[in-house]
Amino acid sequence: DAKTTQPNSMESNEEEPVHLPCNHSTISGTDYIHWYRQLPSQGPEYVIHGLTSNVNNRMASLAIAEDRKSSTLILHRATLRDAAVYYCIPRKISNFGNEKLTFGTGTRLTIIP
Amino acid sequence: KAGVTQTPRYLIKTRGQQVTLSCSPISGHRSVSWYQQTPGQGLQFLFEYFSETQRNKGNFPGRFSGRQFSNSRSEMNVSTLELGDSALYLCASSLVGEGTTYNEQFFGPGTRLTVL
Repeated sequence: DAKTTQPNSMESNEEEPVHLPCNHSTISGTDYIHWYRQLPSQGPEYVIHGLTSNVNNRMASLAIAEDRKSSTLILHRATLRDAAVYYCIPRKISNFGNEKLTFGTGTRLTIIP
Repeated sequence: KAGVTQTPRYLIKTRGQQVTLSCSPISGHRSVSWYQQTPGQGLQFLFEYFSETQRNKGNFPGRFSGRQFSNSRSEMNVSTLELGDSALYLCASSLVGEGTTYNEQFFGPGTRLTVL
C-alpha cells in the first residue's frame, strides 16, 4: 500500500476556502486517490476520488499534481459541518476486489465560526 | 434507501468473553468490510466478504472472525476478549459486480465495544 503524509491538523475560518494537502510519493500508476472524511461520532464518508485529472463534485474539488505524488482536497466554502478528520487514501479500483481502504492518520480540520 | 445498519450500537463485555456484532449492508450491496478504530492505531481493516466468501484479510489474530450470509448481512465475532479489543467497530458496504467501475464504501455508525 502506498504511504501517505498529511498534516495532523488544520484550522480554517467559516465560509473561506480550505486546501488540505496529501503527499503520496509511492503511489502506483493504477492507484486512484480517494478522500474520505469522518465527522464526529460517525463512520467515514466518501468525499471524492480521481486518477490524473482534477475532479469536482458537489462536496469538493480534487487537484492532483502532474507527477501524482501529491494531491490537494479543496473545500470551496467551509461550513461548520465540514469539521472532520480527512483521510487521503490511494486505492486501486476494480470490478471485483480490493475493497480494502488503508487509512492513515488523516488531517483534523477545525472550522472557526 | 436505508443506509448501513449495525447492531448493537454499544456493548460492554468482560475479558475472556466472546462477542458477535452484526452489519446489514445497503440493499443490493454484496461486499461488506469490517474495520476497527482505536485512538492508538486509528482505522484498521479487518476483513472483507463478498458473496459469502472472505476475499481479503487484515493483520489481526485468529480471534477475529467473520461471516456473510446469503442476503449479504455480515457478522463478526471476537473470541476471548482482551482489554485491547475495546474499540469502535465499523462496517462498510459497497456495490461490487459487473458494470461497476467505482466502489464507494458506505460506512455504518459503528458498534462501540468496551472490554472490562
